[in-house]
Amino acid sequence: DGGITQSPKYLFRKEGQNVTLSCEQNLNHDAMYWYRQDPGQGLRLIYYSQIVNDFQKGDIAEGYSVSREKKESFPLTVTSAQKNPTAFYLCASTPGTSGSSSYNEQFFGPGTRLTVL
Amino acid sequence: AQKVTQAQTEISVVEKEDVTLDCVYETRDTTYYLFWYKQPPSGELVFLIRRNSFDEQNEISGRYSWNFQKSTSSFNFTITASQVVDSAVYFCALSAPQWAAGNKLTFGGGTRVLVKP
Repeated sequence: DGGITQSPKYLFRKEGQNVTLSCEQNLNHDAMYWYRQDPGQGLRLIYYSQIVNDFQKGDIAEGYSVSREKKESFPLTVTSAQKNPTAFYLCASTPGTSGSSSYNEQFFGPGTRLTVL
Repeated sequence: AQKVTQAQTEISVVEKEDVTLDCVYETRDTTYYLFWYKQPPSGELVFLIRRNSFDEQNEISGRYSWNFQKSTSSFNFTITASQVVDSAVYFCALSAPQWAAGNKLTFGGGTRVLVKP
């Protein structure tokens, strides 16, 4: 089945450690996105990528890094510079220029809940 | 800058009651897309509807209906005859359509709907 996978579902890390969240899609979508969700709040954009080997900062990029070496993969690293990393992280993708008329509809993965101890 | 406001943080209803979720947006773009997503307790966002700014027709899909009023910058969502399975957080979102702008979504803060049996 086509879709977006994020692993793991729950992740625990000690303060000061870097951690990488996985996001994989087999939808052949051009663009991928990372959002952060804090309790009782909406989603905020961290980074996005519209093409392989290129990515752009979103609204809250500080303390995070990404890579886009393959079209289907967009891992997010939460670095020790992120002051409050405990949150729910959602990955999304959209067809982009390779898709049909629904090019700007985003499809979401199941999310990773990160807790920093 | 784009902004989406969902003034209702939580709504509680008894099963079979109707519930309306408000969404007010701000944008300088003349063309844009509006979305509603559902986030059940599992966490994954589920796409419900996309509306082009040029199309002000209201839409009905089963027990769901949407009222788009460009004059008041509102895109309200009504669940008719609510069911327990409708309990979730609902997000309204806004996007500029240009691929060059990244297809980024701006989310409202969400409205939690609790349907009691």
